[in-house]
Amino acid sequence: ETGVTQTPRHLVMGMTNKKSLKCEQHLGHNAMYWYKQSAKKPLELMFVYSLEERVENNSVPSRFSPECPNSSHLFLHLHTLQPEDSALYLCASSQSPRGPNTGELFFGEGSRLTVL
Amino acid sequence: GENVEQHPSTLSVQEGDSAVIKCTYSDSASNYFPWYKQELGKGPQLIIDIRSNVGEKKDQRIAVTLNKTAKHFSLHITETQPEDSAVYFCAATSTYNQGGKLIFGQGTELSVKP
Repeated sequence: ETGVTQTPRHLVMGMTNKKSLKCEQHLGHNAMYWYKQSAKKPLELMFVYSLEERVENNSVPSRFSPECPNSSHLFLHLHTLQPEDSALYLCASSQSPRGPNTGELFFGEGSRLTVL
Repeated sequence: GENVEQHPSTLSVQEGDSAVIKCTYSDSASNYFPWYKQELGKGPQLIIDIRSNVGEKKDQRIAVTLNKTAKHFSLHITETQPEDSAVYFCAATSTYNQGGKLIFGQGTELSVKP
């Protein structure tokens, strides 16, 4: 496996369900990100983890709960979602989230979430 | 905070023609401007970037120009091919002030017709 891998690729859930999205990076990076991609809108940064510590939380509703157990894995736990949360959720990693040498973001292929 | 506007939202060209996508940014402190290409069913992938100390950068058929005074930057694709069809995103950040947090434009869906 190389790059950034996301599972599942597709997920359909009801508003009362609890599910999780998983991301794994095989690039040796120390920063990981969750982005939300909705139709006709810019990519929205949700969370940033650097060295397993959350460094950014962009006013995301508490029904989204991230977890970063180590520098290679990132989860997004979902509970009591709303239909407007349906979107493509992209995970990304980079060598460093800060400093003058901004690292290139490497994205996974995304998890397409549909909330019924 | 930074705001990035991208135009056009859709662009259709004939194979072999050139395509130009334009972005404007609001934060004069921004100094790093990458472009990402997203093919259908895939995540965005960096194709070219430019830093504020240069005005133009080329890589084969793609080039990016930056006008710091006007706060806009553009992606130029020459001799377009069907495989260039994708959604293109510009982004901007200040690597010193914002910790490298990228702000993305809305995206441009490029269609290259054979």
